[in-house]
Amino acid sequence: ETVMTQSPATLSVSPGERATLSCRASQSVTSKLAWYQQKRGQAPRLLIYDVSTRATGIPARFSGSGSGTEFTLTISSLQSEDFAVYYCQQYNNWPPKTFGQGTKVEIK
Amino acid sequence: EVQLVESGGGLVKPGGSLRLSCAASGFTFSSYSMNWVRQAPGKGLEWVSSISSSSRYIYYADSMKGRFTISRDNAKNSLYLQMNSLRAEDTAVYYCAREVGSGSYIDYWGQGTLVTVSS
Repeated sequence: ETVMTQSPATLSVSPGERATLSCRASQSVTSKLAWYQQKRGQAPRLLIYDVSTRATGIPARFSGSGSGTEFTLTISSLQSEDFAVYYCQQYNNWPPKTFGQGTKVEIK
Repeated sequence: EVQLVESGGGLVKPGGSLRLSCAASGFTFSSYSMNWVRQAPGKGLEWVSSISSSSRYIYYADSMKGRFTISRDNAKNSLYLQMNSLRAEDTAVYYCAREVGSGSYIDYWGQGTLVTVSS
């Protein structure tokens, strides 16, 4: 099983600042990596797929990068609606399609 | 508009069974692989099972194998999860989710249905 490890567990950021979230895979997942955003009480929402492709309707302030085992989600200028939990997921080595444990982005 | 609406959750005793349903609309259901993903209270996301568009390929997480059965009815635009021998650790919100292509990422999620396993 490919284990996905996200860091940090919690990220405290002020509105307007840049947030950088990391996701590490225990083995290469090539470019098959997605990011999801989940707000309290809501279902997850797809942000990024194939490492760096934004899903429909996702603002340009969200960007993804990386390859192999190291990946990053960057939010260039945090807006109030961006405070949420973010999950990475690999879909290269499956089953199972594993998720990271999540990074909570909170208001500083 | 893509819509996925889960139902069938509730309170069940350990060892009991429950069948979840997901009604899909707004897209050609028979063309997509589908998934169940769960989330225990206060915890992260856990992939449960996938089924291909024709039901030919079915996969489960190891902890669900032999207890859970995924199925679909393309004529009814519906996805199902039969859960047997339920344990306290199966308590979670269960999400129905559409997959892009086969063996790919999830692009749409339902709102989830809560399953509570408790005596």
